Amino acid sequence: DAKTTQPPSMDCAEGRAANLPCNHSTISGNEYVYWYRQIHSQGPQYIIHGLKNNETNEMASLIITEDRKSSTLILPHATLRDTAVYYCIVSVSGAGSYQLTFGKGTKLSVIP
Amino acid sequence: GEEVAQTPKHLVRGEGQKAKLYCAPIKGHSYVFWYQQVLKNEFKFLISFQNENVFDETGMPKERFSAKCLPNSPCSLEIQATKLEDSAVYFCASAEEAINQPQHFGDGTRLSIL
Repeated sequence: DAKTTQPPSMDCAEGRAANLPCNHSTISGNEYVYWYRQIHSQGPQYIIHGLKNNETNEMASLIITEDRKSSTLILPHATLRDTAVYYCIVSVSGAGSYQLTFGKGTKLSVIP
Repeated sequence: GEEVAQTPKHLVRGEGQKAKLYCAPIKGHSYVFWYQQVLKNEFKFLISFQNENVFDETGMPKERFSAKCLPNSPCSLEIQATKLEDSAVYFCASAEEAINQPQHFGDGTRLSIL
């Protein structure tokens, strides 16, 4: 799996958009970008994933650069409940292991 | 069910005792994954199953750890002769398919070895 680089921590004011960056410069053509978050010690929660096109769902938007070497997760209106560790993961699509390799993630603190 | 169900939530064992953890995947999901998280640090992949067949066991310690997914039963992860270093939260995840499908996690079993 390709490795990812994320800032260790970020702050965001409540109600503002949270933009979480991720670098994955060694990503291969068949690798997807996944975002998960872990709130306190709960199980990781799936947020969104994409291959090359931008994606949006009810939780967030994922913007992937044209060269696919980086991406940004956008939480449009952050709330206190969005305080969590956010993980950017690249995962192979197709036959093979399909295990998720979590890094250290970004600790997002939403501030009132 | 709609969620991955892990039992028990907490398990305390004395060093050297056996520990057995259970995971019921989301109904209809064919893939099950086990991960270990020590002290809120990085996750370590242990093993995955496709239905009752081992899919990938490259993360499983060679000794003391075993896992099964039998038909019509929760999956299980068993640790024989537990050690202090086995203290961790063990997460189970399930996925509908291995390709382009997210893994959905349970809330984990916190294993404490005393």
